[in-house]
Amino acid sequence: NAGVTQTPKFQVLKTGQSMTLQCAQDMNHEYMSWYRQDPGMGLRLIHYSVGAGITDQGEVPNGYNVSRSTTEDFPLRLLSAAPSQTSVYFCASSLAVRPYEQYFGPGTRLTVT
Amino acid sequence: LAKTTQPISMDSYEGQEVNITCSHNNIATNDYITWYQQFPSQGPRFIIQGYKTKVTNEVASLFIPADRKSSTLSLPRVSLSDTAVYYCLVGDNWSTGNTPLVFGKGTRLSVIA
Repeated sequence: NAGVTQTPKFQVLKTGQSMTLQCAQDMNHEYMSWYRQDPGMGLRLIHYSVGAGITDQGEVPNGYNVSRSTTEDFPLRLLSAAPSQTSVYFCASSLAVRPYEQYFGPGTRLTVT
Repeated sequence: LAKTTQPISMDSYEGQEVNITCSHNNIATNDYITWYQQFPSQGPRFIIQGYKTKVTNEVASLFIPADRKSSTLSLPRVSLSDTAVYYCLVGDNWSTGNTPLVFGKGTRLSVIA
């Protein structure tokens, strides 16, 4: 199993551009989530999903959209990038029967200039 | 969602046992206590989870007193490779409608040779 994969690893955007961060898992996990981590800070939840077709907002959802059309994929879309969205983005997944045991991807380091 | 409080940082020498305490005075009856470890430039990794008393695995032990208002993560005989940020999280099953686990700033453990 590849686990949780994220692409790209690094990305530089200009203010106002849009892009999609990809996240995929091959463990048949029902739950998936997106976090952002700013330097020296903990992780903050952006959006999450408890199954295909179901998404919900976390702590900091503004400026981001998600969809969950399949169990495996959970892309995060930045609608109009802003410098405040410069951060490291982590995707995570877990089984519904063990929701506390999340598996994290390697992260995407995003810089918005 | 129960709020947690843990020390910002701790130092330890190699070979010592390290105990990191987390306070969660408002823990709810259905809440579990989960600890994660995060190395620099990596996503967090699940370490251990418990509900009450003591839980032990190959990585750590988790001690939870009867009132469950605090918990202690114990790392036996730490090495330099245990230098990381450790997060204490408290939460319930997502399927009940509660938001997923929320990460705070964690405890930065530095192991010194």
